[in-house]
Amino acid sequence: NAGVTQTPKFRVLKTGQSMTLLCAQDMNHEYMYWYRQDPGMGLRLIHYSVGEGTTAKGEVPDGYNVSRLKKQNFLLGLESAAPSQTSVYFCASTAPGTSSETQYFGPGTRLLVL
Amino acid sequence: KNEVEQSPQNLTAQEGEFITINCSYSVGISALHWLQQHPGGGIVSLFMLSSGKKKHGRLIATINIQEKHSSLHITASHPRDSAVYICAPNTGNQFYFGTGTSLTVIP
Repeated sequence: NAGVTQTPKFRVLKTGQSMTLLCAQDMNHEYMYWYRQDPGMGLRLIHYSVGEGTTAKGEVPDGYNVSRLKKQNFLLGLESAAPSQTSVYFCASTAPGTSSETQYFGPGTRLLVL
Repeated sequence: KNEVEQSPQNLTAQEGEFITINCSYSVGISALHWLQQHPGGGIVSLFMLSSGKKKHGRLIATINIQEKHSSLHITASHPRDSAVYICAPNTGNQFYFGTGTSLTVIP
């Protein structure tokens, strides 16, 4: 099993550009999450999904959109990137069952918005 | 408002020392997780606790639900334990994350 993978690993954007981050998991997990991690702050939840076709907002959803068209994939989109979105983005998934089960994290995507 | 407080924020230890990292939280939880973030950035889950104590190798995690406190202990610390350790209580609906404790173990 590859676990949780993220694409790309690193990206530089100019303000106003758009991009999509892809998260894929091969563990048949129902729950998937997108977090951002900034220096001096804990992981913050952007959006999450409790199953195929469903998404919900987290703590810091503004400026981001998500889609879960297939159970194994969770996409995070930035329609018009801003320097404040410079961060490291982590995707995670949770085993079937309750959402409090162990999370499996992807390797992260470093995004720099100029 | 910080739902999760970890201490210390930074910790330097000599190889072989016993390490304790503390976590206090304010939310009602169904479980609490300890995560390890490697210097390269990858995050792995170490423990999931809902009560009592768990041990995995040289790592021991304890939780006191009534006091809303958890501790992570590392016995016989080693340079490869150098990482950021993150406390993550879960309410059943949502994870909260501490800012992490940065541990450096010197040979």
